[in-house]
Amino acid sequence: GQNIDQPTEMTATEGAIVQINCTYQTSGFNGLFWYQQHAGEAPTFLSYNVLDGLEEKGRFSSFLSRSKGYSYLLLKELQMKDSASYLCAVLDSNYQLIWGAGTKLIIKP
Amino acid sequence: ETGVTQTPRHLVMGMTNKKSLKCEQHLGHNAMYWYKQSAKKPLELMFVYNFKEQTENNSVPSRFSPECPNSSHLFLHLHTLQPEDSALYLCASSQEGERVSGEQYFGPGTRLTVT
Repeated sequence: GQNIDQPTEMTATEGAIVQINCTYQTSGFNGLFWYQQHAGEAPTFLSYNVLDGLEEKGRFSSFLSRSKGYSYLLLKELQMKDSASYLCAVLDSNYQLIWGAGTKLIIKP
Repeated sequence: ETGVTQTPRHLVMGMTNKKSLKCEQHLGHNAMYWYKQSAKKPLELMFVYNFKEQTENNSVPSRFSPECPNSSHLFLHLHTLQPEDSALYLCASSQEGERVSGEQYFGPGTRLTVT
């Protein structure tokens, strides 16, 4: 079966750095996505990786290793507004999005 | 209105009721989706309309029926639901070519409670 694993919950301190991991086992791979979802709101697109390596976008970076079936989302200079759930999703060989259950990130002052 | 809108935002219904959820996208996209989001579970894709062709998840019960009258509007008709159907129902849209791009734009969702 297809599976995406990410931690259920993480806690970090304002101003610090946090890394949210995602591992996947899917039938084929056509890219990996990270979405952010604030409580009671819609998920919003953060990043897309299809090749190995690090993609940087401001305070957020996303890394992919296809050989290891592994990605991480790195958030720097954490702000209180970064408190949200972060969803990892993989586009499989049928171009179907397979979703993880999300990681709830709690930021403390 | 911009982006993807959904109405109602909250819905409480009994198991014998019939109701409909509405989604509208103002992005000019050609694909629309219904997802079910339950606490601590992955997003569950229910239905996809792409170029007017419907694709559904075979595990979705028949008490959920979608309708897509045009590329901007999507409905989810509900009847004789069960308490386990209580969840957040998300609509999304995307612009697709020959293959799915994966970048989807979500509405704020309808919080459904079945009593």
